[in-house]
Amino acid sequence: GEDVEQSLFLSVREGDSSVINCTYTDSSSTYLYWYKQEPGAGLQLLTYIFSNMDMKQDQRLTVLLNKKDKHLSLRIADTQTGDSAIYFCADRETGRRALTFGSGTRLQVQP
Amino acid sequence: EPEVTQTPSHQVTQMGQEVILRCVPISNHLYFYWYRQILGQKVEFLVSFYNNEISEKSEIFDDQFSVERPDGSNFTLKIRSTKLEDSAMYFCASSEEKGGTDTQYFGPGTRLTVL
Repeated sequence: GEDVEQSLFLSVREGDSSVINCTYTDSSSTYLYWYKQEPGAGLQLLTYIFSNMDMKQDQRLTVLLNKKDKHLSLRIADTQTGDSAIYFCADRETGRRALTFGSGTRLQVQP
Repeated sequence: EPEVTQTPSHQVTQMGQEVILRCVPISNHLYFYWYRQILGQKVEFLVSFYNNEISEKSEIFDDQFSVERPDGSNFTLKIRSTKLEDSAMYFCASSEEKGGTDTQYFGPGTRLTVL
C-alpha cells in the first residue's frame, strides 16, 4: 500500500527558514496536503498542492512538489516560535477518499 | 469560521465496554471521516461516510466498529467490546464533495483510554 515518510525532527532558529521534507510512493496521488498539529490540538490544514503543480505559495508557506522523485517539501519563511508544532504531510490517491499520513515532523523553533 | 467539533475530549473506559464517540461535522459538508492516532504512531484512516452509507473503509475498521449519522448534525463512531489497543486519539473530519480538492477539515480529537 501507499507509504508516506518524513524526517522526525527539525530545529531552527527564530527568523530562519524551515524546510520540512516528505516522500510518498504512489504515483497516482492526486492531492498532497500539509497539516499542523499543536500540542493537545487537532490537525489544522495549512495548505495543499495538486499533483500537476510544481509549486504553490501561500504567504510564508511554499510547497514544492517533485513528482518524478515523489518528493514534497514545505518551506516556512521567517519561522516564528508559534510555528513550533508537528507537521504532517498526507496524500490522497486517485479514486479514494482516505488520506495517508506521514509520521509527522516535529519542528522546534529556538528563540 | 465553521469547524468540526468532537465530544468528549477525553473518554476513559474499561476493557470490554462499548463507547460512542461523537462528532458534529461542518454543516454544508457531505463526506465524513474517522481517523485514529495511536500514541507515537501515524494518523490512520478508518472510514469514510457519504449519503448515509460507508463509502470506504480500512482493514482496521472491522466488525468491532460502526458509524452512524443519527440526525442531521451528528456523526458517531461506536466501538464495541473495547480492547487495550483501541486506546488512541480519534479524529473526525468532514469535507465538501466538490470533486476537486475535497479538503478534509479535522476536529480536535477524542482521546480514548481503555483500562
